[in-house]
Amino acid sequence: AQTVTQSQPEMSVQEAETVTLSCTYDTSENNYYLFWYKQPPSRQMILVIRQEAYKQQNATENRFSVNFQKAAKSFSLKISDSQLGDTAMYFCAFMTRGGSQGNLIFGKGTKLSVKP
Amino acid sequence: NAGVTQTPKFRILKIGQSMTLQCAQDMNHNYMYWYRQDPGMGLKLIYYSVGAGITDKGEVPNGYNVSRSTTEDFPLRLELAAPSQTSVYFCASSAGLATYEQYFGPGTRLTVT
Repeated sequence: AQTVTQSQPEMSVQEAETVTLSCTYDTSENNYYLFWYKQPPSRQMILVIRQEAYKQQNATENRFSVNFQKAAKSFSLKISDSQLGDTAMYFCAFMTRGGSQGNLIFGKGTKLSVKP
Repeated sequence: NAGVTQTPKFRILKIGQSMTLQCAQDMNHNYMYWYRQDPGMGLKLIYYSVGAGITDKGEVPNGYNVSRSTTEDFPLRLELAAPSQTSVYFCASSAGLATYEQYFGPGTRLTVT
Protein backbone atom coordinates (compact mmCIF):
# COMPACT_ATOMS: atom_id res chain seq x y z
CA ALA A 1 0.00 0.00 0.00
CA GLN A 2 1.12 3.51 -0.74
CA THR A 3 1.80 5.87 2.13
CA VAL A 4 2.72 9.54 2.31
CA THR A 5 4.61 10.99 5.28
CA GLN A 6 5.00 14.63 6.19
CA SER A 7 7.35 14.82 9.15
CA GLN A 8 6.86 18.51 9.97
CA PRO A 9 3.49 19.13 11.66
CA GLU A 10 4.12 22.88 11.86
CA MET A 11 6.55 25.38 10.40
CA SER A 12 6.90 29.12 10.39
CA VAL A 13 8.78 31.54 8.16
CA GLN A 14 9.29 35.27 7.97
CA GLU A 15 7.66 37.11 5.13
CA ALA A 16 9.90 37.27 2.02
CA GLU A 17 12.07 34.37 3.16
CA THR A 18 12.25 30.86 1.73
CA VAL A 19 10.86 27.73 3.36
CA THR A 20 11.00 24.05 2.42
CA LEU A 21 8.34 21.51 3.36
CA SER A 22 9.30 17.85 3.41
CA CYS A 23 7.42 14.84 2.07
CA THR A 24 8.40 11.22 1.67
CA TYR A 25 6.33 8.42 0.20
CA ASP A 26 6.40 4.69 -0.09
CA THR A 27 5.33 2.78 -3.17
CA SER A 28 6.31 -0.17 -5.30
CA GLU A 29 4.89 1.51 -8.39
CA ASN A 30 7.13 3.06 -11.01
CA ASN A 31 4.65 5.35 -12.68
CA TYR A 32 2.86 7.84 -10.49
CA TYR A 33 2.12 11.48 -9.82
CA LEU A 34 2.90 13.65 -6.82
CA PHE A 35 1.05 16.76 -5.76
CA TRP A 36 1.18 19.55 -3.24
CA TYR A 37 -2.19 20.96 -2.17
CA LYS A 38 -2.75 24.09 -0.13
CA GLN A 39 -5.65 24.38 2.33
CA PRO A 40 -6.08 27.91 3.71
CA PRO A 41 -8.39 28.64 6.66
CA SER A 42 -11.28 28.79 4.20
CA ARG A 43 -10.86 24.96 3.88
CA GLN A 44 -10.72 25.13 0.08
CA MET A 45 -8.24 22.58 -1.33
CA ILE A 46 -6.08 24.25 -3.97
CA LEU A 47 -3.55 22.48 -6.19
CA VAL A 48 -0.16 24.16 -5.85
CA ILE A 49 2.08 22.02 -8.03
CA ARG A 50 2.21 18.61 -9.71
CA GLN A 51 5.12 16.32 -10.64
CA GLU A 52 5.06 13.33 -12.97
CA ALA A 53 7.41 10.62 -11.72
CA TYR A 54 8.68 9.85 -15.23
CA LYS A 55 9.94 13.43 -15.63
CA GLN A 56 13.40 14.12 -14.27
CA GLN A 57 12.98 17.88 -14.35
CA ASN A 58 11.59 19.37 -11.16
CA ALA A 59 8.28 21.18 -11.53
CA THR A 60 8.04 24.91 -10.85
CA GLU A 61 5.06 27.25 -10.58
CA ASN A 62 6.07 30.85 -9.98
CA ARG A 63 7.35 31.02 -6.37
CA PHE A 64 6.74 27.30 -5.80
CA SER A 65 9.17 24.58 -6.81
CA VAL A 66 9.77 20.98 -5.89
CA ASN A 67 12.83 18.84 -5.28
CA PHE A 68 11.86 15.40 -6.53
CA GLN A 69 14.27 12.61 -5.62
CA LYS A 70 12.75 9.43 -7.06
CA ALA A 71 15.31 7.00 -5.69
CA ALA A 72 14.95 8.45 -2.21
CA LYS A 73 11.14 8.71 -2.62
CA SER A 74 11.30 12.31 -1.51
CA PHE A 75 9.20 15.22 -2.77
CA SER A 76 9.83 18.52 -0.98
CA LEU A 77 8.15 21.86 -1.69
CA LYS A 78 10.12 25.09 -1.69
CA ILE A 79 8.28 28.37 -1.32
CA SER A 80 10.35 31.42 -2.23
CA ASP A 81 9.61 35.01 -1.23
CA SER A 82 6.97 33.82 1.25
CA GLN A 83 3.83 35.92 1.45
CA LEU A 84 1.25 36.27 4.20
CA GLY A 85 -1.28 34.60 1.89
CA ASP A 86 0.83 31.45 1.88
CA THR A 87 -0.28 30.77 5.46
CA ALA A 88 -2.16 27.47 5.20
CA MET A 89 -2.03 23.72 5.67
CA TYR A 90 0.01 22.06 2.95
CA PHE A 91 -0.69 18.48 1.95
CA CYS A 92 1.55 16.22 -0.07
CA ALA A 93 -0.40 13.68 -2.13
CA PHE A 94 0.36 10.66 -4.32
CA MET A 95 -1.56 9.05 -7.16
CA THR A 96 -0.72 5.93 -9.13
CA ARG A 97 -0.61 6.54 -12.85
CA GLY A 98 -2.96 4.32 -14.76
CA GLY A 99 -5.01 3.45 -11.68
CA SER A 100 -8.70 2.87 -12.15
CA GLN A 101 -9.93 5.39 -9.65
CA GLY A 102 -7.59 8.36 -9.49
CA ASN A 103 -7.32 7.97 -5.75
CA LEU A 104 -5.21 10.65 -4.10
CA ILE A 105 -3.30 9.41 -1.04
CA PHE A 106 -2.66 12.32 1.30
CA GLY A 107 -0.13 12.95 4.04
CA LYS A 108 -1.23 14.44 7.36
CA GLY A 109 -0.21 17.93 6.36
CA THR A 110 2.16 20.68 7.49
CA LYS A 111 0.77 23.85 8.98
CA LEU A 112 2.74 26.80 7.61
CA SER A 113 2.58 30.22 9.24
CA VAL A 114 4.10 33.19 7.46
CA LYS A 115 4.96 35.96 9.91
CA PRO A 116 5.16 39.65 9.00
CA ASN B 1 -18.47 28.60 -13.77
CA ALA B 2 -19.31 27.87 -10.15
CA GLY B 3 -16.94 24.88 -10.17
CA VAL B 4 -17.77 22.32 -7.48
CA THR B 5 -20.49 23.28 -5.03
CA GLN B 6 -21.48 21.50 -1.83
CA THR B 7 -24.46 21.88 0.46
CA PRO B 8 -24.85 22.27 3.35
CA LYS B 9 -21.72 23.98 4.70
CA PHE B 10 -22.36 22.82 8.25
CA ARG B 11 -24.64 20.24 9.82
CA ILE B 12 -25.18 18.70 13.23
CA LEU B 13 -26.78 15.26 13.33
CA LYS B 14 -27.93 13.11 16.19
CA ILE B 15 -26.74 9.52 16.37
CA GLY B 16 -28.90 7.31 14.17
CA GLN B 17 -30.17 10.10 11.91
CA SER B 18 -29.61 10.06 8.16
CA MET B 19 -28.78 12.80 5.70
CA THR B 20 -27.58 13.47 2.18
CA LEU B 21 -24.64 15.70 1.35
CA GLN B 22 -25.12 17.34 -2.01
CA CYS B 23 -22.38 17.88 -4.57
CA ALA B 24 -22.66 19.40 -8.03
CA GLN B 25 -20.16 20.45 -10.68
CA ASP B 26 -20.67 22.49 -13.84
CA MET B 27 -17.43 21.60 -15.63
CA ASN B 28 -18.82 18.53 -17.42
CA HIS B 29 -16.30 16.33 -15.60
CA ASN B 30 -16.81 12.59 -15.80
CA TYR B 31 -14.90 11.79 -12.61
CA MET B 32 -16.21 12.72 -9.19
CA TYR B 33 -15.00 11.85 -5.71
CA TRP B 34 -16.00 12.04 -2.07
CA TYR B 35 -13.31 12.43 0.58
CA ARG B 36 -13.44 12.85 4.32
CA GLN B 37 -10.91 14.78 6.39
CA ASP B 38 -10.63 13.93 10.05
CA PRO B 39 -8.96 16.39 12.46
CA GLY B 40 -5.20 16.58 11.94
CA MET B 41 -5.30 14.21 8.99
CA GLY B 42 -5.21 14.27 5.24
CA LEU B 43 -8.18 13.38 3.07
CA LYS B 44 -9.33 9.81 2.56
CA LEU B 45 -11.42 8.60 -0.37
CA ILE B 46 -14.92 7.36 0.46
CA TYR B 47 -16.46 6.72 -2.98
CA TYR B 48 -15.78 7.74 -6.52
CA SER B 49 -17.56 7.73 -9.86
CA VAL B 50 -16.15 7.55 -13.38
CA GLY B 51 -19.39 8.58 -15.05
CA ALA B 52 -23.15 8.67 -14.72
CA GLY B 53 -24.43 5.35 -13.42
CA ILE B 54 -20.98 4.09 -12.35
CA THR B 55 -19.75 4.27 -8.79
CA ASP B 56 -17.25 2.34 -6.71
CA LYS B 57 -15.85 2.18 -3.21
CA GLY B 58 -12.76 3.99 -2.05
CA GLU B 59 -10.68 3.47 1.06
CA VAL B 60 -13.34 4.19 3.74
CA PRO B 61 -16.84 3.42 2.32
CA ASN B 62 -18.53 1.88 5.37
CA GLY B 63 -21.59 3.80 6.53
CA TYR B 64 -22.02 5.68 3.25
CA ASN B 65 -23.81 5.29 -0.05
CA VAL B 66 -23.64 7.22 -3.30
CA SER B 67 -25.49 7.49 -6.57
CA ARG B 68 -24.66 9.18 -9.86
CA SER B 69 -27.74 9.65 -12.02
CA THR B 70 -26.37 12.67 -13.90
CA THR B 71 -22.92 13.92 -14.88
CA GLU B 72 -23.39 17.01 -12.70
CA ASP B 73 -24.52 15.55 -9.37
CA PHE B 74 -22.91 13.12 -6.95
CA PRO B 75 -24.76 12.99 -3.61
CA LEU B 76 -23.37 11.18 -0.57
CA ARG B 77 -25.84 9.49 1.74
CA LEU B 78 -25.14 8.82 5.42
CA GLU B 79 -27.36 6.18 6.95
CA LEU B 80 -27.58 5.77 10.73
CA ALA B 81 -25.06 8.47 11.58
CA ALA B 82 -22.38 7.59 14.15
CA PRO B 83 -19.91 9.81 16.06
CA SER B 84 -17.08 8.28 13.99
CA GLN B 85 -18.55 10.06 10.96
CA THR B 86 -17.85 13.47 12.46
CA SER B 87 -15.56 14.95 9.85
CA VAL B 88 -15.24 17.46 7.04
CA TYR B 89 -16.45 16.06 3.74
CA PHE B 90 -15.05 17.19 0.41
CA CYS B 91 -16.41 16.53 -3.02
CA ALA B 92 -14.08 16.80 -6.01
CA SER B 93 -14.22 16.36 -9.75
CA SER B 94 -11.77 15.92 -12.59
CA ALA B 95 -11.83 15.61 -16.35
CA GLY B 96 -9.80 12.41 -16.20
CA LEU B 97 -7.43 10.43 -14.04
CA ALA B 98 -4.04 11.33 -12.67
CA THR B 99 -2.97 13.85 -15.29
CA TYR B 100 -5.99 15.98 -14.62
CA GLU B 101 -6.34 18.28 -11.64
CA GLN B 102 -9.00 17.42 -9.10
CA TYR B 103 -11.14 20.44 -8.30
CA PHE B 104 -12.47 20.50 -4.77
CA GLY B 105 -15.64 21.91 -3.31
CA PRO B 106 -15.57 24.05 -0.15
CA GLY B 107 -16.42 21.13 2.14
CA THR B 108 -19.20 20.25 4.56
CA ARG B 109 -18.43 20.15 8.27
CA LEU B 110 -20.54 17.41 9.87
CA THR B 111 -20.83 16.78 13.59
CA VAL B 112 -22.62 13.70 14.93
CA THR B 113 -23.55 13.86 18.62
